[in-house]
Amino acid sequence: GAVVSQHPSRVICKSGTSVKIECRSLDFQATTMFWYRQFPKQSLMLMATSNEGSKATYEQGVEKDKFLINHASLTLSTLTVTSAHPEDSSFYICSARQGGESNQPQHFGDGTRLSIL
Amino acid sequence: AQSVAQPEDQVNVAEGNPLTVKCTYSVSGNPYLFWYVQYPNRGLQFLLKYITGDNLVKGSYGFEAEFNKSQTSFHLKKPSALVSDSALYFCAVRGSEGNNRLAFGKGNQVVVIP
Repeated sequence: GAVVSQHPSRVICKSGTSVKIECRSLDFQATTMFWYRQFPKQSLMLMATSNEGSKATYEQGVEKDKFLINHASLTLSTLTVTSAHPEDSSFYICSARQGGESNQPQHFGDGTRLSIL
Repeated sequence: AQSVAQPEDQVNVAEGNPLTVKCTYSVSGNPYLFWYVQYPNRGLQFLLKYITGDNLVKGSYGFEAEFNKSQTSFHLKKPSALVSDSALYFCAVRGSEGNNRLAFGKGNQVVVIP
């Protein structure tokens, strides 16, 4: 149980393109989902917390107009990288927590490798 | 704010030998502790958690971890390492008080040598 599906797994596109990444909780409902960015050989950097039916909470230094987050249902959150540039190239990982209790583990998608040419 | 320290960058161990990956933490309130493993170009896989109860927690793939409150540690262990255990391991903590954010350590690369 507790499977999180993330698509696409890899995107290669030209500079200026907008890219949408989907994150789905397959067998549980997630009122809260999280979006992370990971640089090579580094830990995960939290970008934003996505709340179903309300606006996302962005971490300091993350541009909300650049990284649009929509959490339209209890099983789906999307991250759109708008007008992507080479510096946006990275590994993006979504996560969802089963239940609202803070003692529950977060479950992660397999990540999206974004490469902007 | 909560934080996690994984002091070693890389852990090398011979196949069949015991594996230990160290983790210490700092939180407000009671700690909720987690270990995750990451294989190349994949997301994080949940291994085990400590919430309350027995200090020794058993998880997936033969891994276990021991919670030590006095030393604020939650070291990951496996009695006999396999080559397939070679991966990146992350310790994470969330506190029962303060913000709800999960704090990750920097990760440890484990290399199991055949």
